[in-house]
Amino acid sequence: DTAVSQTPKYLVTQMGNDKSIKCEQNLGHDTMYWYKQDSKKFLKIMFSYNNKELIINETVPNRFSPKSPDKAHLNLHINSLELGDSAVYFCASSQGLGGNEQFFGPGTRLTVL
Amino acid sequence: EDKVVQSPLSLVVHEGDTVTLNCSYEVTNFRSLLWYKQEKKAPTFLFMLTSSGIEKKSGRLSSILDKKELFSILNITATQTGDSAVYLCAPRGNYGGSQGNLIFGKGTKLSVKP
Repeated sequence: DTAVSQTPKYLVTQMGNDKSIKCEQNLGHDTMYWYKQDSKKFLKIMFSYNNKELIINETVPNRFSPKSPDKAHLNLHINSLELGDSAVYFCASSQGLGGNEQFFGPGTRLTVL
Repeated sequence: EDKVVQSPLSLVVHEGDTVTLNCSYEVTNFRSLLWYKQEKKAPTFLFMLTSSGIEKKSGRLSSILDKKELFSILNITATQTGDSAVYLCAPRGNYGGSQGNLIFGKGTKLSVKP
């Protein structure tokens, strides 16, 4: 099926650990995104990648680093996890950055203990 | 600063009722506004609006944009229990930089009772 997929779906880890979340899209899109949805259900952009270049970084802590090995993948690496990082992280993709529909992955629920 | 306000924050109705969800926004160099439906997991796309006064329609759902008054509404007629979800409004600014991103509102949680 054509889609945006993320792994893992659930991630439980201790404070201070380093973890990665993977995202893949097979829609042929050229732009991918990471969003964070906190406990209040507020969905907020973290990063956008267009043609393998980071073009928007919404002042997230530098413990978060997106890595894009190719146009179909945008992974999120998080260092030194903190309690406040607990949230659902959504990956999304679109064709072009301006004004187009974004397709979302199923989300990864991260719990930091 | 860009801002999106959705109202009401939550709404409980019975099957068959008609609901109107509101979204007001302040976005620099507005370009478009998207509506998403979020059930248990990922948001799914409903509509993209770019022009004022032109109603977009899909089955029982419809939406319209007013670029002068900076708001959009989403209507759902003859609601069904499957319409229960959080409805997210997301305006977008001009291409490039932070203005190219979708800015999501907090959503309206709709619960439809049988």
